[in-house]
Amino acid sequence: QSVLTQPPSASGTPGQRVTISCSGSSSNIGSNYVYWYQQLPGTAPKLLIYSNNQRPSGVPDRFSGSKSGTSASLAISGLRSEDEADYYCAAWDDSLSGHVVFGGGTKLTVL
Amino acid sequence: QLQLQESGPGLVKPSETLSLTCTVSGGSISSSSYYWGWIRQPPGKGLEWIGSIYYSGSTYYNPSLKSRVTISVDTSKNQFSLKLSSVTAADTAVYYCLRGFDYWGQGTLVTVSS
Repeated sequence: QSVLTQPPSASGTPGQRVTISCSGSSSNIGSNYVYWYQQLPGTAPKLLIYSNNQRPSGVPDRFSGSKSGTSASLAISGLRSEDEADYYCAAWDDSLSGHVVFGGGTKLTVL
Repeated sequence: QLQLQESGPGLVKPSETLSLTCTVSGGSISSSSYYWGWIRQPPGKGLEWIGSIYYSGSTYYNPSLKSRVTISVDTSKNQFSLKLSSVTAADTAVYYCLRGFDYWGQGTLVTVSS
């Protein structure tokens, strides 16, 4: 059971806009930055979004992040076949002396 | 370009201690104020944070693993290490080392089996 809650799956057709949600609590998302990762099969996760809504260099602006209260979302616009991957959210949690928590991951299928 | 590379045994016996090292290249582990940490991913499952060490030496561990985990830094070798004691089959996973939330190693599979 993950501390952050994500839908196990999401899907869309090429060109569509898809959003993936991540729900937490006041001790994690509510008071700290949210990070989003993309994991292609057999590879290490790649940072997509940091500090709630910032994109590292090289990440297309089709990917965007937002946060409101104790929830966050990742939006992917202009969906492409290569976006088919697992997506994870993460945040620092202030409870129990501090630790990092992850969502369970969302498998995105491009139909 | 910062690079991280995990190394260590790919097979560990139950009840023994899993030991992995992460070698950092392209930057000094002690020259910047970053966290250096470990994350694992059991086969077919999601990501689990194991713990982190700050460049100053402060450590933070996953509460569910805290009693079995030790993370340390060797600045002379530009490396940091993970030790996980009393392992079971449930500790079988790909183990990743990382800097903060951004730079990751490629991961190394550790199997716990007799």
